[in-house]
Amino acid sequence: QVQLQQWGTGLLKPSETLSLTCAVYGGSFSGYYWSWIRQPPGKGLEWIGVITDSGSTNYNPSLKSRVSLSGDTSKNHFSLKLTSVTAADTAVYYCARGRPALILWGQGTVVTVSS
Amino acid sequence: SYVLTQPPSVSVAPGKTARITCGGDNIGDKSVHWYQQEPGQAPVLVIYYDSDRPSGIPERFSGSNSGNTATLTISRVEAGDEADYYCQVWDHSSDSHAIFGGGTKLTVL
Repeated sequence: QVQLQQWGTGLLKPSETLSLTCAVYGGSFSGYYWSWIRQPPGKGLEWIGVITDSGSTNYNPSLKSRVSLSGDTSKNHFSLKLTSVTAADTAVYYCARGRPALILWGQGTVVTVSS
Repeated sequence: SYVLTQPPSVSVAPGKTARITCGGDNIGDKSVHWYQQEPGQAPVLVIYYDSDRPSGIPERFSGSNSGNTATLTISRVEAGDEADYYCQVWDHSSDSHAIFGGGTKLTVL
């Protein structure tokens, strides 16, 4: 059964760079679309961006200037970088597979931005 | 940009039918997907392409989409259905990207 396992830095200071990785276990990175989504405390879901196995990306226009997605087919994982974080970037971050529906989700990573 | 509008909350008695709407401009022309999120958990896809159910999702969950409204219907509601529900579309109008509705809290009375 395919699973997504994610990890990364959970506590950041303002202006630092958020870095998360999502690994694909029990399946292939190739042939799928891979997204990142976040959820601020007590709020709804916000899509961040998507990457294909060939490295093609699309980003949420509201985050585009600060976001970068990358993928590594040899390691079966993909990564998110978000620069110049502020308290507004505090959220649970999820990785997910699929497009247009997000069929499979990671467990989520809590990221807190605080001075 | 495209906006999806959901009611913040819906309440229903056990055994009754819950309907959660998702409004958007000509949303009937798009494919709508629905997610269930229990507290502290990752979202789970319950309906895709308007009305298809993933394996393992009970038949009590169904979906429809027409005009400016998509609807998630949960029949014979159970206490375990209490959760947040989100609709989602993929917008190809500009940079291809996903859009979520604001979410609806389903309360089972």
